[in-house]
Amino acid sequence: SYVLTQPPSVSVAPGKTARLTCGGNNIGNKGVHWYQQRPGQAPVLVIYYDSDRPSGIPERFSGSNSGNTATLTISRVEAGDEADYYCQVWDSSGDHRVFGGGTKLTVL
Amino acid sequence: QVQLMQSGAEVKRPGASVKVSCKASGYTFTSYGITWVRQAPGQGLEWMGWVSAYNGDRNYAQNFQGRVTMTTDTSTSTGYMELRSLRSDDTAVYYCARAAKGVEPLGYWGQGSLVSVSS
Repeated sequence: SYVLTQPPSVSVAPGKTARLTCGGNNIGNKGVHWYQQRPGQAPVLVIYYDSDRPSGIPERFSGSNSGNTATLTISRVEAGDEADYYCQVWDSSGDHRVFGGGTKLTVL
Repeated sequence: QVQLMQSGAEVKRPGASVKVSCKASGYTFTSYGITWVRQAPGQGLEWMGWVSAYNGDRNYAQNFQGRVTMTTDTSTSTGYMELRSLRSDDTAVYYCARAAKGVEPLGYWGQGSLVSVSS
């Protein structure tokens, strides 16, 4: 089955840029969605189909996808961005949704 | 506005069954499906499956085949997820989310339902 690999943790200082990666075989050929999950809350969609932002999500959040890596970029990081972030794709060969293991973003 | 309201926390014994509900509002229920995702304590998100509210088509993750049943009731705009033969490692928060089909993002989520399995 298709596997998505995310680093367990990323740390960044406030005001800097965080880049969270999601690795998968030829993931550039798939549509990648990203979710933010704060402690004790349900996940929130922050990027869909690689780089589109839902209404209400700040422009500081952007996404890209090419080759074997998709990236969620958070510019001008704020304390409120501290959360777990999950990438997700649809695996058409197995006909199922796949989540990455998640990355905990820590704002120093 | 789109809302998904889930049933409350449950405590179950090993071997029992649990049925979690997800009441939808703010959109045409039969135009979308309901996806179920669970999260064990301190762990990541795990996709369980999907059911179409339009025609009842279902697609379950292999890990849950034979143990889970997902249904919808169009008269009440409610989705259901029943998990049988519960084990301690089924202890998790269970989320419902709206999606038309597999490739689409999960833009709306329920608040989650905690299911605890303990003897």
